[in-house]
Amino acid sequence: NAGVTQTPKFQVLKTGQSMTLQCAQDMNHEYMSWYRQDPGMGLRLIHYSVGAGITDQGEVPNGYNVSRSTTEDFPLRLLSAAPSQTSVYFCASSYSGGGETQYFGPGTRLLVL
Amino acid sequence: GESVGLHLPTLSVQEGDNSIINCAYSNSASDYFIWYKQESGKGPQFIIDIRSNMDKRQGQRVTVLLNKTVKHLSLQIAATQPGDSAVYFCAENSRSNDYKLSFGAGTTVTVRA
Repeated sequence: NAGVTQTPKFQVLKTGQSMTLQCAQDMNHEYMSWYRQDPGMGLRLIHYSVGAGITDQGEVPNGYNVSRSTTEDFPLRLLSAAPSQTSVYFCASSYSGGGETQYFGPGTRLLVL
Repeated sequence: GESVGLHLPTLSVQEGDNSIINCAYSNSASDYFIWYKQESGKGPQFIIDIRSNMDKRQGQRVTVLLNKTVKHLSLQIAATQPGDSAVYFCAENSRSNDYKLSFGAGTTVTVRA
């Protein structure tokens, strides 16, 4: 199993540009989530999904969209990038959301100029 | 609001000594707790977890203690090694919060040779 994979590893955007961060898992996990990590603030939940076709907002959803058309994939879209979205983004998955360990991908480092 | 926090942002430990990392949480309904280790440039890696119906759980060289009375969680690492140098996060979730993970800000552990 590859586990949780994320692409790209690093991206530089200009303010106003759009992009999609890709996340995939091959563990047949129902629950997937996106976090952002900023210095000194730990990880904050952006969006999550409890299964294909179902998504919900986390703690910091503004400026981000998600969709879950398959169990394996959970892309995160930035429609109009802003410097405040400069961060490291992690995708995670677990068998279910309830009291199960979440496994994290290697992260995408995003710089918005 | 609910929060999860670590007592100290940094911890310096002599190689071979035991490490203790502390975490306080505020949600009395929390029922699942996890410790993650994050090495530089990588995603968080699961170390050990504990459910609210337990007060102690042991793994390989690690022990997690849960004190629900004072809402305190600790991670003990026995015989700390250079490879233990990393940032350690505690996280919790609860049925009342739709099992969304809440993370503390992290403790940076540095192992001295």
